[in-house]
Amino acid sequence: RKEVEQDPGPFNVPEGATVAFNCTYSNSASQSFFWYRQDCRKEPKLLMSVYSSGNEDGRFTAQLNRASQYISLLIRDSKLSDSATYLCVVRGSSASKIIFGSGTRLSIRP
Amino acid sequence: GAVVSQHPSWVICKSGTSVKIECRSLDFQATTMFWYRQFPKQSLMLMATSNEGSKATYEQGVEKDKFLINHASLTLSTLTVTSAHPEDSSFYICSATYGTGVNQPQHFGDGTRLSIL
Repeated sequence: RKEVEQDPGPFNVPEGATVAFNCTYSNSASQSFFWYRQDCRKEPKLLMSVYSSGNEDGRFTAQLNRASQYISLLIRDSKLSDSATYLCVVRGSSASKIIFGSGTRLSIRP
Repeated sequence: GAVVSQHPSWVICKSGTSVKIECRSLDFQATTMFWYRQFPKQSLMLMATSNEGSKATYEQGVEKDKFLINHASLTLSTLTVTSAHPEDSSFYICSATYGTGVNQPQHFGDGTRLSIL
């Protein structure tokens, strides 16, 4: 089993739709969690950190479920510019143990 | 905000050439930097963790003699792909963490697209 697993997609949804991704992790000792987005042929860019109580940034909501060991990302009122690959990142207790998910591809259609 | 600069952004060279890629933290000191490689339509793969003032920690399957890492200062890490071959063609990305807290996210350089002919 992979340490961090994501549904690769692609998710193809119409503009304005709400879409959600999940990411599961295997190490219960994982301490911090992030969502990044990566556009084609570009570097990953931090979208948001994921806090235990859940957090929201505009149209984006991230949640953490430690009991079930998954994090989620919800995008409301999706825009064409949201089309990208979304990477789940899990960090362990040491600075060097950072695991990337394989990414979920999202395509927003007009 | 924290900025990581990577140079060059694109390299095309002949097989057998050694290529050096620089990763700089522009407005913060980074005791640890990370080097990743990404093949088309695949996930980022951690190659090694670069530690300032000490040897890099390589991931399993990554040849340390092939991919030389030097972290000479708190703001600069370099990755040298020695005697590069076409199979080394890939997108190489570095990252650094601002601060030492485990909750600090990584900030990525722009990446270097390496093409070996």
